[in-house]
Amino acid sequence: SQQGEEDPQALSIQEGENATMNCSYKTSINNLQWYRQNSGRGLVHLILIRSNEREKHSGRLRVTLDTSKKSSSLLITASRAADTASYFCATGTGGSYIPTFGRGTSLIVHP
Amino acid sequence: DGGITQSPKYLFRKEGQNVTLSCEQNLNHDAMYWYRQDPGQGLRLIYYSQIVNDFQKGDIAEGYSVSREKKESFPLTVTSAQKNPTAFYLCASSRASLNTEAFFGQGTRLTVV
Repeated sequence: SQQGEEDPQALSIQEGENATMNCSYKTSINNLQWYRQNSGRGLVHLILIRSNEREKHSGRLRVTLDTSKKSSSLLITASRAADTASYFCATGTGGSYIPTFGRGTSLIVHP
Repeated sequence: DGGITQSPKYLFRKEGQNVTLSCEQNLNHDAMYWYRQDPGQGLRLIYYSQIVNDFQKGDIAEGYSVSREKKESFPLTVTSAQKNPTAFYLCASSRASLNTEAFFGQGTRLTVV
């Protein structure tokens, strides 16, 4: 079963613009994570936000978490062509640390 | 240089054959996972293991088998019972604790010929 659902499924922007992706989930979580996947490669962990946190930053990445709405957003500021990839949210729920993934957002950044 | 290694990168299987995908990690992680990725489906959990000599079925375990004889290794066998095995397979590992990140291998693309 897939816990998180990303929105939009695909996003196409110009270099320098900001990219925002959203993730909605169904049940209470311990944490929510964002991963990046370049085409044909493995996933790379970007950021983890715990259920008692509301916002986290890492470089050009900003993640917010709204547990009342069961949603999270990933903002990439000043995007670059190298940011072109698929982005996945994953949730940890209950006593489980096993990440459950959504279907991902495909981001294309045009130079 | 710590990490998680999957091999081979590409694998071709004939109808009726079993094939084994390798996954090795030197991160000293207790937990290891196998995911399957199909276009538009995201990642689906096949099997996971929290400790040596123990593993549990995930959401789509039918037609797959695993073993965990060593902490570092978690091979996945795709059996002939798996009717639609063509997919991208991802192995991951993590500490067996909450609020921890998973580390992924580079994946194995399996194609039935």
